[in-house]
Amino acid sequence: SQKIEQNSEALNIQEGKTATLTCNYTNYSPAYLQWYRQDPGRGPVFLLLIRENEKEKRKERLKVTFDTTLKQSLFHITASQPADSATYLCALESSASKIIFGSGTRLSIRP
Amino acid sequence: ETGVTQTPRHLVMGMTNKKSLKCEQHLGHNAMYWYKQSAKKPLELMFVYSLEERVENNSVPSRFSPECPNSSHLFLHLHTLQPEDSALYLCASSQEKIGRSNANTGELFFGEGSRLTVL
Repeated sequence: SQKIEQNSEALNIQEGKTATLTCNYTNYSPAYLQWYRQDPGRGPVFLLLIRENEKEKRKERLKVTFDTTLKQSLFHITASQPADSATYLCALESSASKIIFGSGTRLSIRP
Repeated sequence: ETGVTQTPRHLVMGMTNKKSLKCEQHLGHNAMYWYKQSAKKPLELMFVYSLEERVENNSVPSRFSPECPNSSHLFLHLHTLQPEDSALYLCASSQEKIGRSNANTGELFFGEGSRLTVL
């Protein structure tokens, strides 16, 4: 069956450390994978997209990798700050016009 | 401000009521979506409209009825709901990509959601 999984429901790390979140998928061949941030009671906000022919993408303190052999994407936040605390969602296009999401990882950065 | 506005932000209704959720996008996009978000569950895609035509109906019960009168507006009509339908309903829009073109990212722009409680 087709699945998109974010392995950790919650992740707690110390401020200043690098947070690494994992997204795995099975039985999909996505052309790209997206990452979103969602704060409590708000809609998700797009952060980054990485295409199947890209190994790595960076944006400020964010870095995303995409391994189509392992069917996995890693999302890194370097020099993490308490303001980075949120739920992070990965998403992929399962078919035309159909973007599906993982269940999310709730990240908490403690001062 | 994401350019996608949802109303109402909060709605409480009884199981016999009929209500509607409204979504409006000011981004010039050609696709609009309804997602349902329940506690501890992934976002569930309900409906997709592309160029005002419904292209996805993800096995959603008929008590949910979408309407897309034009590319900027999307409604979700609700009737005879169940308590388990209580959730955050999120509208999103995007610019539909053509084939595997790199012309756009296909990113979704979400509204702030309508928190629905069914009593």
